[in-house]
Amino acid sequence: KNEVEQSPQNLTAQEGEFITINCSYSVGISALHWLQQHPGGGIVSLFMLSSGKKKHGRLIATINIQEKHSSLHITASHPRDSAVYICAVRDETSGSRLTFGEGTQLTVNP
Amino acid sequence: DVKVTQSSRYLVKRTGEKVFLECVQDMDHENMFWYRQDPGLGLRLIYFSYDVKMKEKGDIPEGYSVSREKKERFSLILESASTNQTSMYLCASSALDSYTEAFFGQGTRLTVV
Repeated sequence: KNEVEQSPQNLTAQEGEFITINCSYSVGISALHWLQQHPGGGIVSLFMLSSGKKKHGRLIATINIQEKHSSLHITASHPRDSAVYICAVRDETSGSRLTFGEGTQLTVNP
Repeated sequence: DVKVTQSSRYLVKRTGEKVFLECVQDMDHENMFWYRQDPGLGLRLIYFSYDVKMKEKGDIPEGYSVSREKKERFSLILESASTNQTSMYLCASSALDSYTEAFFGQGTRLTVV
């Protein structure tokens, strides 16, 4: 069993839909990251969370430490949101190392 | 704008060649990382460094070595490239504080033929 599991693996939505991507982890963490990877490879950090909720534009990230679960929401989705979304956790015992989920491929159709 | 820059976007090398992948960051970060990314496996840590001349093995160090002679530069070396090292390679950096963000390079897609 992976330490970090994401669901779904693939998600197709119509423009304007509300999207949720889930991340569950099995270890104690000091922080959780949501990353975005567009075709071509570069990865951008969207959020870093250790508790509660963060919002940036149409993106919202939440984390429940007790349940070891985080969600990334996209409101009013747009085709330019099409990308791979990756959840990564910083294990509280491993310093700066990150453990990654396998990613969720999101496709938003016009 | 903060930056992590990898020297090449695409590389094609022959089996047995020695390959150098370079990564430079301009944020004065202590930590630097090399990952490889393969379909179905996600990102896996090859090596990381938390200071100049310091390095630690990640989860899949076999067939790789690293060099960090200067704080801003972290090099990944494939001593004798093999076809199973065909992959996307990503460099990242972060400050020493474990509560700060990680910043990633644009990736190098390496093909070994």
